[in-house]
Formats: sequence, C-alpha cells, structure tokens
Amino acid sequence: AQKITQTQPGMFVQEKEAVTLDCTYDTSDQSYGLFWYKQPSSGEMIFLIYQGSYDEQNATEGRYSLNFQKARKSANLVISASQLGDSAMYFCAMRGKAGTALIFGKGTTLSVSS
Amino acid sequence: ETGVTQTPRHLVMGMTNKKSLKCEQHLGHNAMYWYKQSAKKPLELMFVYNFKEQTENNSVPSRFSPECPNSSHLFLHLHTLQPEDSALYLCASSQESAASNEKLFFGSGTQLSVL
Repeated sequence: AQKITQTQPGMFVQEKEAVTLDCTYDTSDQSYGLFWYKQPSSGEMIFLIYQGSYDEQNATEGRYSLNFQKARKSANLVISASQLGDSAMYFCAMRGKAGTALIFGKGTTLSVSS
Repeated sequence: ETGVTQTPRHLVMGMTNKKSLKCEQHLGHNAMYWYKQSAKKPLELMFVYNFKEQTENNSVPSRFSPECPNSSHLFLHLHTLQPEDSALYLCASSQESAASNEKLFFGSGTQLSVL
C-alpha cells in the first residue's frame, strides 16, 4: 500500500528565512511522482512542484525546491526567503504506477511572521 | 476566470435534504475527481472520472452520487447525509488520470455542514 507521512503538524518561521517541510513516502512502485500543494485559507489547493522518481536532479520552481532522497524515501519541500503570503497548509502527495490515484499526507501548517 | 470552479462555496443542509455540488473546469482536461477533506485527516479520494466514465469509487457510501455529463462538468448529488459528512469537498481535474506525473488542478471547494 502507498502512504505519505508528514510528521510536522505546524512550523513557524520568520520572513526571509528558509524552511524545510518534511515528507516521507512508502510505495512498492518503481515509477511514481511526488507533488507538493499549498492550501491557503481560501481552500484552493495550489500546485507547487513535482518530482519524478527517475529524475536525477532535484526539482526547483522559483523559491521552492524539492530535496529528493530516493533511498530514504523522502521528498522534503524547501522554501527559501519565506514571505508572509507563504502562510498556509502544505500537502505532500504521491501518485504511483499508471492508473493509481493521487494520495495526500495530513499536511503541515506553515506560519510566517514578520 | 479560474480553471476549476465549484459552486456553492458554502452549503448547510439537514439530514433529510437533497442537494448537489457542481464543478466545472475550463482547462480542456479529460479527468475529474472528487476529494473529501475533513479536519485533521488527509484528503480522501472519493471518485474519479476519465472521459466521462467513472474509473474509481473509493468505497463511498451511496448517499453520495456522482454524475459526469461531459468532460467539463462534474456533480456530486447528496441525500440523507450524516453530520460526519460535514467537510470541505474539493473537485479537481487533470489532462487524464493515468500518468504518474499528471498534476491535478483544484477548485476552491464547497464547505458542507450537515445539521
């Protein structure tokens, strides 16, 4: 069975600091995709970044980067230079072999203060 | 105009009511999804439609009835719900449902309260 684990219910960071949100996963599939989504208080889930299991380079999208350690089955999200607008819930998600659904972790609430 | 639109944003209903949630996507996608988000629980996949055909029903009680008349519209019909069904219901779409790199685009959700 596939599983996503996010062990940090809440994280606090000051503006302009970097923060790492943890995510570990479990799957027996050889090919899979890892995703991070942001959910502000408005409710909409916003796609941030994607990492494929065969990608050799860590994915980056602007201030977001994914620290992918395949042997450890971890896919941590790194947000550099935090902004007040980054305060939200962050979800790690995974999709396994073709035809399987996207499953989510429980999420981490990030609070950025000035 | 956002890519995935859900209406209503908020809904309060009694246990004997019948209501429907609506989702519309303007992205030209072929797959649509319903997820349920309860407090302190991971998002739970409910239904998947691919090219208007239901391809996944994640053991959802029959009081939830999905309908997908075309690739752009998805409904969730609700009847005789229970208080524990109160949650945020999120609709999503993707180009298709099979590829592992396929990202989902979400709507803002319908916050449902069952009294």
